Order: sequence, then structure tokens, then C-alpha cells
Amino acid sequence: QQQVKQSPQSLIVQKGGISIINCAYENTAFDYFPWYQQFPGKGPALLIAIRPDVSEKKEGRFTISFNKSAKQFSLHIMDSQPGDSATYFCAASRQGAQKLVFGQGTRLTINP
Amino acid sequence: EPEVTQTPSHQVTQMGQEVILRCVPISNHLYFYWYRQILGQKVEFLVSFYNNEISEKSEIFDDQFSVERPDGSNFTLKIRSTKLEDSAMYFCASTRTGRREKLFFGSGTQLSVL
Repeated sequence: QQQVKQSPQSLIVQKGGISIINCAYENTAFDYFPWYQQFPGKGPALLIAIRPDVSEKKEGRFTISFNKSAKQFSLHIMDSQPGDSATYFCAASRQGAQKLVFGQGTRLTINP
Repeated sequence: EPEVTQTPSHQVTQMGQEVILRCVPISNHLYFYWYRQILGQKVEFLVSFYNNEISEKSEIFDDQFSVERPDGSNFTLKIRSTKLEDSAMYFCASTRTGRREKLFFGSGTQLSVL
């Protein structure tokens, strides 16, 4: 019930294309869903996050789509750039909890 | 931009040895965390710490692990008797208010247990 399942494990996209990473969760008590970006040798950094009262959140080229009934959320990167090449983690957390539950991570490569 | 600093970046130790991983959280932060990531696996929560007490810990955080804030700036994770399966990247994180939205991670310490 605490798991967050992320797919795909790795993804290769051409420059200018759309990158899509998906996550699914089981615990309906989760109320905060962030995406983290991690470059080699660095810690995860918050990219964008959503709460379940909205179905979509957009910040620049990054969009989270949230489907509460399906218990799924996804990250869309529009006009993907080589600088977006990194590992992306989805995560979830419930109100009052200290911890984030992370997905397995997706290694994204944007080919020039 | 303020950042969470972790030292060393890579530590090698022999099985059964004690190891201390060090972190300097952002200066006005009050809530501190350790996460770990075994190679190729997901990032896992270990422990949270506030007001000199553990506020939450995972099943991973057994009696071999301890945390301490020995002074006003450092936050440490001690593993008393390391096992091969403790080999992982250990991330320290901190937040000022305890809000999940304001969590900052360090760059990690890669622990290799031989």
C-alpha cells in the first residue's frame, strides 16, 4: 500500500519531442505528489508537484497530469532538450507524514 | 543558493566497521532527514529528526543506525556495524518548516562496504 510504481525504467526521446513518465499508487491517503529531477552526482531536486484537488499542473515545459480515480499521475516534458537528460523520480506523501515514498526512477535521455 | 552539504562524497569501509556520514543542513532549517538509494533501486526513507528527537523512522532504520545533531550545524548518521547490504547512496535532506514542499536534498555520500 505504500508503494509508488514508476515506468518506464528508461526512456530515450529525440530533441523537441515529448517525454512522458508514468506513476501509479495504491494508498488513497496520499495527498501530495512531487516529481524530482536528479543529475549525476547530485541529490534529487524538486521539479514540480501536484495535489489531488486538481487534474493538471503546468510549469513551463513541465506538466503533471493527475487521475485520482485511476490513482495515476504522469510527468510530461514538452519540447524535450538535451539538458533535460537526467533521472526522474515520482513520489507521494500523505498528510501528517514526514516521509516521501519514491518511485523506482526513470533515466531519461534526450538525443540531440 | 543555500544547499545541503554532505561529506564525504564517497566512503569505503570494511564489513563490521562503524561509519559516520555527515551532513550540514541549510542553516535555518529545523527538520532533518536521511534517505538512501541502493544502486538501481528507488530512494527510500530512513529517518526524520526534529527538536533533537527522531520523529519518524522506517523499518530499515534498525538498532544498527543512529542519528545525532552533535552541534548547531551538523547532522550525522551512524551505522554501528556495517553490512554488505548497507552499500548505497545516502542522502541527507532538510526543510525549515517540516513542509514536504520545501525539502532540499544534499548530493549524497556513496557508501561502499567491502
